[in-house]
Amino acid sequence: LAKTTQPISMDSYEGQEVNITCSHNNIATNDYITWYQQFPSQGPRFIIQGYKTKVTNEVASLFIPADRKSSTLSLPRVSLSDTAVYYCLSSGGYNKLIFGAGTRLAVHP
Amino acid sequence: ETGVTQSPTHLIKTRGQQVTLRCSSQSGHNTVSWYQQALGQGPQFIFQYYREEENGRGNFPPRFSGLQFPNYSSELNVNALELDDSALYLCASSLERGNEKLFFGSGTQLSVL
Repeated sequence: LAKTTQPISMDSYEGQEVNITCSHNNIATNDYITWYQQFPSQGPRFIIQGYKTKVTNEVASLFIPADRKSSTLSLPRVSLSDTAVYYCLSSGGYNKLIFGAGTRLAVHP
Repeated sequence: ETGVTQSPTHLIKTRGQQVTLRCSSQSGHNTVSWYQQALGQGPQFIFQYYREEENGRGNFPPRFSGLQFPNYSSELNVNALELDDSALYLCASSLERGNEKLFFGSGTQLSVL
């Protein structure tokens, strides 16, 4: 399974757009890119998933370049409640997802 | 709310004991996965069950075992507890085994003394 690399931590302020980039250099042809969000004392929550180009839903956008070796999660106009750990995963196997250490996003007033 | 419930929420055991953790999947989901999350780390895959059979396993010893029942609820059993087993244990269900959109419960916090 492809290994992903993302920044350990990021800081932002309320109302700003936050972009978290993930590197997945050895992504396989069948791999999708999936992002999860986790708050303290809770299980991870699915945010968004994509294969190529751009995907947008009600909470985030996911940008994937043509070579698919990286992806960027974009959170528009963050609020304090977006403070969490964000995980980037890539997996072509249906039997397990591999989580890395994630990116700890701190949103300040 | 994800519709996935885990019990108990917290548990304290001593080294060498055995523990059983329980998970109720979201309605209609036939696949359940279990993860271990140590403090400050990402969740680590333990195993997955699909229609009552193990469908994949991570790098965990055999003393970690599981069951999935006909109603798709499941159990995680850990024998001969070690101090390093102290962690948050997460259960996640999905609609099908090929679906990477997992619905996680809030976990069971296990402390081994």
